[in-house]
Amino acid sequence: TQLLEQSPQFLSIQEGENLTVYCNSSSVFSSLQWYRQEPGEGPVLLVTVVTGGEVKKLKRLTFQFGDARKDSSLHITAAQPGDTGLYLCAGASGTYKYIFGTGTRLKVLA
Amino acid sequence: DAGITQSPRYKITETGRQVTLMCHQTWSHSYMFWYRQDLGHGLRLIYYSAAADITDKGEVPDGYVVSRSKTENFPLTLESATRSQTSVYFCASRGQHGYTFGSGTRLTVV
Repeated sequence: TQLLEQSPQFLSIQEGENLTVYCNSSSVFSSLQWYRQEPGEGPVLLVTVVTGGEVKKLKRLTFQFGDARKDSSLHITAAQPGDTGLYLCAGASGTYKYIFGTGTRLKVLA
Repeated sequence: DAGITQSPRYKITETGRQVTLMCHQTWSHSYMFWYRQDLGHGLRLIYYSAAADITDKGEVPDGYVVSRSKTENFPLTLESATRSQTSVYFCASRGQHGYTFGSGTRLTVV
């Protein structure tokens, strides 16, 4: 069974601080995605990484896929209250199905 | 409106009753999915469908039934609701770049 573990589970920081969220597995994934979910809404896709070692940047968010394609990280620089939400990683299981991690709940205080 | 819509947004039902959650997408995506989201478990796949009339079980299918007579609709039925099925249910379709989720149905079984 493929499992994705995210850490930390909860994170509360002040506006302007930097943070990193981790997504780890013992399984190899052909691709990995990151989503953000706000209260009362479904998750929204942020990025897809497909190559081991790949780094993608989305404004203040930096995503990295591990060399062995078993883990990933999400780094946020100068966090803002608008970054508050549940961050989910998801690894490709087969060609069309994704397995989701348990999520990191981030709260950024103004 | 283009997108994926779920109905109802909120539902309270009694133990033992049958209840159907609706999901409609406007893109004609082949793949559709039903997930449930619970604290501590993240998103767990209930059922998925690769095309009309093709469905398959996910991680937690027991107590649920799906059908897909048309590409755009993917209803989820709880045949005899139990309290353990109290959850937030998300429908998703898979496009070229990843999943698009509906806004969810919060189901409470009393």
